[in-house]
Amino acid sequence: DTGVSQDPRHKITKRGQNVTFRCDPISEHNRLYWYRQTLGQGPEFLTYFQNEAQLEKSRLLSDRFSAERPKGSFSTLEIQRTEQGDSAMYLCADSSGTYNEQFFGPGTRLTVL
Amino acid sequence: GEDVEQSLFLSVREGDSSVINCTYTDSSSTYLYWYKQEPGAGLQLLTYIFSNMDMKQDQRLTVLLNKKDKHLSLRIADTQTGDSAIYFCAEITESNSGYALNFGKGTSLLVTP
Repeated sequence: DTGVSQDPRHKITKRGQNVTFRCDPISEHNRLYWYRQTLGQGPEFLTYFQNEAQLEKSRLLSDRFSAERPKGSFSTLEIQRTEQGDSAMYLCADSSGTYNEQFFGPGTRLTVL
Repeated sequence: GEDVEQSLFLSVREGDSSVINCTYTDSSSTYLYWYKQEPGAGLQLLTYIFSNMDMKQDQRLTVLLNKKDKHLSLRIADTQTGDSAIYFCAEITESNSGYALNFGKGTSLLVTP
């Protein structure tokens, strides 16, 4: 499978716990994005990497959220002190195309109890 | 960001054509995309159109762009039950650092036998 992969697919956690998600993009794609999708909504942009550099963060990305992309390969998204409002699908996408077409992974569904 | 608007629901009979509409407000949009999302899954890129094009056809899919009215549509010919899903319109503009996608809320397409 050469597509974007995400792990875990589902995560249930208690409020106040920390969680970390991983995204493995297609190897030759240098741009990587994180989005959040809540029920009945389209995905909302969280942050963007060009290789290992984090170049843009949305105002949605509070200080409890941090993302990394060491060596410009896989990326992690960590949420500290989770809140019930963090419950959502977290989607990773990558791109390198001329038309900036973005290819999405299957997502990690987070449920905060 | 600017709002991308879509009707929320569409129901068609198998074999008929489906037309899903989208309006966007950012006149600097350079590319516009259609994505499909099945339950519990990530987003699948269906097609995209560059802002200097009026139409793009790809097998059963036809995209029409009216840049003057900022209106985008996706026509699915000979709709099948497997086309039942949520369809998202998304725009990208050069003003978005990193070319992040701005999504509508999605149109839920139901295809009945």
